[in-house]
Amino acid sequence: QSALTQPASVSGSPGQSITISCTGTSSDVGGYNYVSWYQQHPGKAPKLMIYDVSKRPSGVSNRFSGSKSGNTASLTISGLQAEDEADYYCSSYTSSSTFRAVFGGGTKLTVL
Amino acid sequence: EVQLVESGGGLVQPGRSLRLSCAASGFTFDDYAMHWVRQAPGKGLEWVSGISWNSGSIGYADSVKGRFTISRDNAKNSLYLQMNSLRAEDTALYYCAKAHDAFDIWGQGTMVTVSS
Repeated sequence: QSALTQPASVSGSPGQSITISCTGTSSDVGGYNYVSWYQQHPGKAPKLMIYDVSKRPSGVSNRFSGSKSGNTASLTISGLQAEDEADYYCSSYTSSSTFRAVFGGGTKLTVL
Repeated sequence: EVQLVESGGGLVQPGRSLRLSCAASGFTFDDYAMHWVRQAPGKGLEWVSGISWNSGSIGYADSVKGRFTISRDNAKNSLYLQMNSLRAEDTALYYCAKAHDAFDIWGQGTMVTVSS
């Protein structure tokens, strides 16, 4: 159950787009379409931003999008805004034979 | 309003036990799998354990297997985590989360500190 690999930090200016990668293996990211992304502001609980690789929950801005290629998933945030500054975590989840989930180490997004 | 409220955290000595609870409201509790996720101070998220709607399927992280036990009482809309043989590295904020292919609802967490 190794953690998924994310860059420790990314940054961008308001209005720009950034992409955060999340690399796993064929046993997690590459093997299932249950990849999700979470936003966490300091002192707050995580918030689901993307699920099933590319789906957005109701209420999440369409500036957030997700994709996957092989063992790597990606979160793209377009039109960066100051309030996007937060930690972002990817996760791979499976409930096939037993429950198992793994998170990435997290990426700190700084809006310059 | 959909809500999860954790309780039961506190300061405990290494080797002792603690039981966390999570009270759910605002949704049909027994329709969903539920999970525990923890976050050590200043660190990232770590999945701890999950349980299916009917308790028929359960999973644990390797780091807690054999020490922690997850359970639920659908009649009480409650999720539990029995933590035994606690270690310093179990110190963390413990969140319960509702799951439907992803962790879509989170509580605010309950802090567990393992220290002598």
